[in-house]
Amino acid sequence: AQSVTQPDIHITVSEGASLELRCNYSYGATPYLFWYVQSPGQGLQLLLKYFSGDTLVQGIKGFEAEFKRSQSSFNLRKPSVHWSDAAEYFCAVGAVLGSQGNLIFGKGTKLSVKP
Amino acid sequence: NAGVMQNPRHLVRRRGQEARLRCSPVKGHSHVYWYRQLPEEGLKFMVYLQKENIIDESGMPKERFSAEFPKEGPSILRIQQVVRGDSAAYFCASSPASRQDQPQHFGDGTRLSIL
Repeated sequence: AQSVTQPDIHITVSEGASLELRCNYSYGATPYLFWYVQSPGQGLQLLLKYFSGDTLVQGIKGFEAEFKRSQSSFNLRKPSVHWSDAAEYFCAVGAVLGSQGNLIFGKGTKLSVKP
Repeated sequence: NAGVMQNPRHLVRRRGQEARLRCSPVKGHSHVYWYRQLPEEGLKFMVYLQKENIIDESGMPKERFSAEFPKEGPSILRIQQVVRGDSAAYFCASSPASRQDQPQHFGDGTRLSIL
């Protein structure tokens, strides 16, 4: 069965420091991968997506993610974190090859940013 | 362009009552998805609908829950005879097509509290 694991429940980084949020997936075919961000009381906003091609994907707000098939990973990175990045981040995999179908989400990583 | 609109944002019900959650997709989007988010959890898929059709309801509880997306008007998620365990945030997402290159756009959710 398809699944997504985000090993870190909560991460705290200092403002200006680099960030890497981990995501591992289990999927029987070529996955479609997404990162979403959720601010408190809000819905999910798409940061970036991977479908095919270049394994390094650029997203909004200075985020990027790298797809590594050998490690079944799709880690999210940002070189310099801003206080406004404090939020919860969800990795998701597209469950149905060839059609969008539903998404399978990880449990999320909550990011806190120290001044 | 308006995004996905969900109402109400907050809904309080007593055990045994009915809860009706509404979702208006992005204009032009004909695919709607409902997800449930329990505290400290990621989003769990419930149901996927196109206009007047339920495409995939594999994530819906077998009893008390139903969903519709009529030809005119918003999509409705209906929970009959609510119980405490139904307390959660319910998110609606929409997309223009059932293709992986058309990511889902999320609403801000409805927070359902059961007294």
